[in-house]
Amino acid sequence: DGGITQSPKYLFRKEGQNVTLSCEQNLNHDAMYWYRQDPGQGLRLIYYSQIVNDFQKGDIAEGYSVSREKKESFPLTVTSAQKNPTAFYLCASSKGSNGYTFGSGTRLTVV
Amino acid sequence: AQSVAQPEDQVNVAEGNPLTVKCTYSVSGNPYLFWYVQYPNRGLQFLLKYITGDNLVKGSYGFEAEFNKSQTSFHLKKPSALVSDSALYFCAVRAPFDRGSTLGRLYFGRGTQLTVWP
Repeated sequence: DGGITQSPKYLFRKEGQNVTLSCEQNLNHDAMYWYRQDPGQGLRLIYYSQIVNDFQKGDIAEGYSVSREKKESFPLTVTSAQKNPTAFYLCASSKGSNGYTFGSGTRLTVV
Repeated sequence: AQSVAQPEDQVNVAEGNPLTVKCTYSVSGNPYLFWYVQYPNRGLQFLLKYITGDNLVKGSYGFEAEFNKSQTSFHLKKPSALVSDSALYFCAVRAPFDRGSTLGRLYFGRGTQLTVWP
């Protein structure tokens, strides 16, 4: 079955450490997105990519970085510059005028 | 600019009663509208969408939504609520295709927590 896979499900980060969240899709979708979810704040867009080797900043890109070397993959790195990284991170993909297909999320906690 | 408002943070309803989760939107041009549901510690699941055509859209799990252009609303409804419908619901809007715009991006509301009690 086609889908979008995020890993790991839970991730713990020490102060000053960079961590990378994985997002892989086999839906042949062109566009991919990263969102951050905090309680009571809905979904906030971090980065998005419409084609391979191209991506744009969303609303809260500071402290994050991405790459899009393959159509199937859109990893997100949470850098040490992100001062409040504890959150639930959601990856999504889309094609054409359809809505998004979401992954099951990664919960990142600073320890 | 595109935006979505979900005026209620929480909706409580008894099992068997009808439910409504409200959504209003602002978008340039004809909107694409979506509803998603999220269960705890899970990703969002697609419920239904409106792009064009009949104003009443039917979706998964018995949910439906009514598009009202004059009121710029897209309220989610279900005739008879189930306890298993308890979850977080998100409304989203997408601008129509516009070359040079942030093509494909959805704008989400803040979410409405639906609780159905037995």
